[in-house]
This record gives sequence, C-alpha cells and structure tokens, in this order.
Amino acid sequence: AQSVAQPEDQVNVAEGNPLTVKCTYSVSGNPYLFWYVQYPNRGLQFLLKYITGDNLVKGSYGFEAEFNKSQTSFHLKKPSALVSDSALYFCAVRVGGATNKLIFGTGTLLAVQP
Amino acid sequence: GAVVSQHPSWVICKSGTSVKIECRSLDFQATTMFWYRQFPKQSLMLMATSNEGSKATYEQGVEKDKFLINHASLTLSTLTVTSAHPEDSSFYICSARDFGTGGSNTEAFFGQGTRLTVV
Repeated sequence: AQSVAQPEDQVNVAEGNPLTVKCTYSVSGNPYLFWYVQYPNRGLQFLLKYITGDNLVKGSYGFEAEFNKSQTSFHLKKPSALVSDSALYFCAVRVGGATNKLIFGTGTLLAVQP
Repeated sequence: GAVVSQHPSWVICKSGTSVKIECRSLDFQATTMFWYRQFPKQSLMLMATSNEGSKATYEQGVEKDKFLINHASLTLSTLTVTSAHPEDSSFYICSARDFGTGGSNTEAFFGQGTRLTVV
C-alpha cells in the first residue's frame, strides 16, 4: 500500500537555527512527493515538490527538501528558522491512476521559539 | 500559482439542516477537484473525487447520500452536507490542479477551507 510517514508530531527549534521535518514514503514506482504548510484555520499552501531530476529541491520561503531514494525519504529543511515558520507541515505523495490522488502524512507541528 | 477559492470560510448550522460548500478554481479550469475532511490536529482525509459532468468517486466509508457532490462546471464543485449532525462538524477543504499550465506534473492547490459547526 502507498503511504507517507511523518514520525514526529512536533518539532521544536530556536529561531535562527536550522530545522528539519522528516518524511518517509512507501510507493510502488516513481514517487511524486510534495510538502505543504497549513496555518490555523487555513487551507494548505504548496511549498515544493519532487517529480524528477535533482534530488535537492528548493521551494517557497527558503525551504528545501532532499529526495533520497535509498532511504525512501523526503525531509524538509531550512537553514535558519523564523518564528513565522511555526505551522503544521504535511508531506504528501501522489498515487497514480486516473484520479492522481494525494496521500498525506499525519502532519508535523513546527514550533519556532524566539 | 493557481487560485482555488472556497466559500464560506465558516458556517454554523442547526442539526438536521443541510449546508452547501462551494469550491471554485478562479483562473483555471478544473475537470477534477478533491474534497477533504480534517479533524482537529489530524491529517487530511480524502472524502471524494469530484469529476466535471459525471458522478463523484467516493472513498470507502464516506456516505455518498450524506455528502452530495456536484461538479456542474469546469470551475465549480459543491459539497452539500445533508441532514447535518454534530459529528459532521469538521474542517472541509477542497483542492484542484491546473493541468493546463503544468500538465501532469502540476501540484494541487487548496481552498482556504470551511469550518462547519453543527449545533
């Protein structure tokens, strides 16, 4: 079965420090991977995606993610965290077929302390 | 990126009444839209795939007669929660993809969500 795992419910980091939000996946075939961010009572905002090509993907707001096929991981990273980065982050994988549905991880709450 | 607009942002209704939520693609045509439900501090659960001009495809366990989906045009899908009960209270989110711009590699864009409270 296709799935996405986010092993951490919450990540705490001090402002200015690097942050990592972890994501691992299990899919058959080549994965299409995505990161989204959600602020309270809002929909999801797209951050970045991996479809093919370079394993290091750069996205919005200074975020980046590295696709690692051998470890089946797609961790989200940022060199220097901001308090305004505090939000709920979702990793997702697109499964194939006519509908191309997104399967989401359980989400990781990022808390950046000033 | 493409814009998906959802209305209303929040709604409170009495138990037993029906509520309609609209999802619009503002600057692109969406032959397929997706409806999700999100419980507090939980992930998004796909409810159904809305297909323009045809019946929606519901995920297992989702009552199609309770959650009516209509996708009558290329820019509008509606979700109607019929005979709502307090357990239907949740955050509902729609999404769509702009295949015209990005092709099959394009990402999904999400509406801002609708907070439904049934009292």
